[in-house]
Amino acid sequence: DAKTTQPTSMDCAEGRAANLPCNHSTISGNEYVYWYRQIHSQGPQYIIHGLKNNETNEMASLIITEDRKSSTLILPHATLRDTAVYYCIVIARFGAGTRLTVKP
Amino acid sequence: GAGVSQSPRYKVAKRGQDVALRCDPISGHVSLFWYQQALGQGPEFLTYFQNEAQLDKSGLPSDRFFAERPEGSVSTLKIQRTQQEDSAVYLCASSLETPGQQVNYEQYFGPGTRLTVT
Repeated sequence: DAKTTQPTSMDCAEGRAANLPCNHSTISGNEYVYWYRQIHSQGPQYIIHGLKNNETNEMASLIITEDRKSSTLILPHATLRDTAVYYCIVIARFGAGTRLTVKP
Repeated sequence: GAGVSQSPRYKVAKRGQDVALRCDPISGHVSLFWYQQALGQGPEFLTYFQNEAQLDKSGLPSDRFFAERPEGSVSTLKIQRTQQEDSAVYLCASSLETPGQQVNYEQYFGPGTRLTVT
């Protein structure tokens, strides 16, 4: 069973920040939150992960609440190529993900 | 370097046939995962190996599904007596286990095998 819940879909204007929320209220203390994205017909691609602290890499930032019950993936300057389904997962259990559409 | 590869990329089977799907993980990766992804859905966990040991097979939908990784590298997912509801993309992923942190892993996915049962 998926341990995360996400909105079904979101839109974002090109060049603006995309903020994708995820709830993982049953997460255990040693379980990491991972984010992947999947572009049509391809396997999921790793984006970022975190445990307690906020994380940033070349692709995105991850903000984790202090109680670890939710997190937000931030794509700081969304491009059309960021249009994909984004998955927030805990312990290899994917939910349905958020379909992000970046519009010009 | 080479990523995760899967073969065949596409497979059409008649209902009742047996199929075998192959996954070649990244060399040196300890962990290997199989997922089933139906059209429009997220990947559903099927099973997980650490080296040759199948540590979790809780996601296998029925006893028609069987996975093995006998030498701790290549893995095969076998589906016996295929049914139409088995039609899906089967994804394989591998990860480099982090010693002492069994819940910390980044998975590298293959392109998947699209199985169509007619």
